[in-house]
Amino acid sequence: QVQLVQSGAEMKKPGASVRVSCETSGYTFTTYPLNWVRQAPGQRFEWMGWLNTGSGYTRYSREFQGRITITRDTSANTAYMELTSLTSEDTALYFCARSPPIGVTGSVDYWGQGTLITVSS
Amino acid sequence: DIVMTQTPLSSSVTLGQPASISCTSSQSLIYSDGNTYLSWFHQRPGQAPRLLIEKISHRLSGVPDRFSGSGAVTDFTLNISRVEAEDVGLYYCMQATELPLTFGGGTKVEIK
Repeated sequence: QVQLVQSGAEMKKPGASVRVSCETSGYTFTTYPLNWVRQAPGQRFEWMGWLNTGSGYTRYSREFQGRITITRDTSANTAYMELTSLTSEDTALYFCARSPPIGVTGSVDYWGQGTLITVSS
Repeated sequence: DIVMTQTPLSSSVTLGQPASISCTSSQSLIYSDGNTYLSWFHQRPGQAPRLLIEKISHRLSGVPDRFSGSGAVTDFTLNISRVEAEDVGLYYCMQATELPLTFGGGTKVEIK
């Protein structure tokens, strides 16, 4: 069955960076793009970026441009999201979520379990 | 960016009674292929969202038929015909017609 398993919760100091992983199984990793979405306390979901898992091409939200890098390791069926220059406003639950295959428009379907990132001095 | 607005913020429903959630987009969600990429998710506390309905009204496999979606262009509705205890939680609409993906603010459904 399709599974997306994310790395564990982390606590970071302001100004630090964090890298969250999303290990996938149950399907062909390079066929389905992955998104990163976050949910800050009391806020709505916020889309951060998209990764073509086959080519490595990325698209980022302008809200995070310059601070976010999404990469992948196809041999490990894993995607990574790195966010730099953290502030307390980056405290949130971070999710990876699968998109339909390249060339198909549609909803994200499967989500990781979420990774809590807490930024505090 | 497309802004998604959900109402109500919360809904307290008696078991077995219907519930309805509305979602409005700031612009048309009709994509160039003629489809409308409006989805509904359910999220229980501490869990990832679960996709219930995509393209306005297409229920995912395994989703009970008491859930139905309707609407067009900018106005959409999720209906639960008879609320069951397992339906409590947060419901979100999401548009995938264009990037960035954007989400409604959520509706909390609880049992009265």
